[in-house]
Amino acid sequence: DAKTTQPTSMDCAEGRAANLPCNHSTISGNEYVYWYRQIHSQGPQYIIHGLKNNETNEMASLIITEDRKSSTLILPHATLRDTAVYYCIVRVPLSGGYQKVTFGTGTKLQVIP
Amino acid sequence: GAVVSQHPSRVICKSGTSVKIECRSLDFQATTMFWYRQFPKQSLMLMATSNEGSKATYEQGVEKDKFLINHASLTLSTLTVTSAHPEDSSFYICSARVGRRWDTQYFGPGTRLTVL
Repeated sequence: DAKTTQPTSMDCAEGRAANLPCNHSTISGNEYVYWYRQIHSQGPQYIIHGLKNNETNEMASLIITEDRKSSTLILPHATLRDTAVYYCIVRVPLSGGYQKVTFGTGTKLQVIP
Repeated sequence: GAVVSQHPSRVICKSGTSVKIECRSLDFQATTMFWYRQFPKQSLMLMATSNEGSKATYEQGVEKDKFLINHASLTLSTLTVTSAHPEDSSFYICSARVGRRWDTQYFGPGTRLTVL
């Protein structure tokens, strides 16, 4: 299984960009990188995903290195409501259509006023 | 967006009793539902995967006789913690997926179980 490593915690000033790194050096060619976040005592929320190209949506941008061994989630203008644990996940497809997912420890992002 | 609900949101029970947690997809039919467990300050751990009308697939180390999963319809899955003990106290989260793409997996708000 491709595993991910993330910093345990990060701080970011409100209004500034938050850049959350993730290493996934054992990722294979057909595995996508997904980002979810979990606000305290709630279920995870999907943010963005990508395979090779950089992606952007209304919530964030995802930058994937050319060798795909790492990626960065960018929240362009962090707000206090973005304080959460952010999980970088590599999807591991299994036979029969099941897609097992392993959540790592995630990065606790604290947005500071 | 798609909504997944869980009931109850919190439950406190005595040791030795059984607790049932419901997971519902409110506005879509979920071909697959997943159950996760999360201990304080730890990450989510997948417990089991279930498809409607078939037996659940449990992850290694998860006791299937203790954590009974029933996925009787495309909108409802239940997790029953049988003979609960204090070590079963945790945050239980379900997710529901339509189709095979993983970004179509939607998470419920979670259920906080406390076993006294």
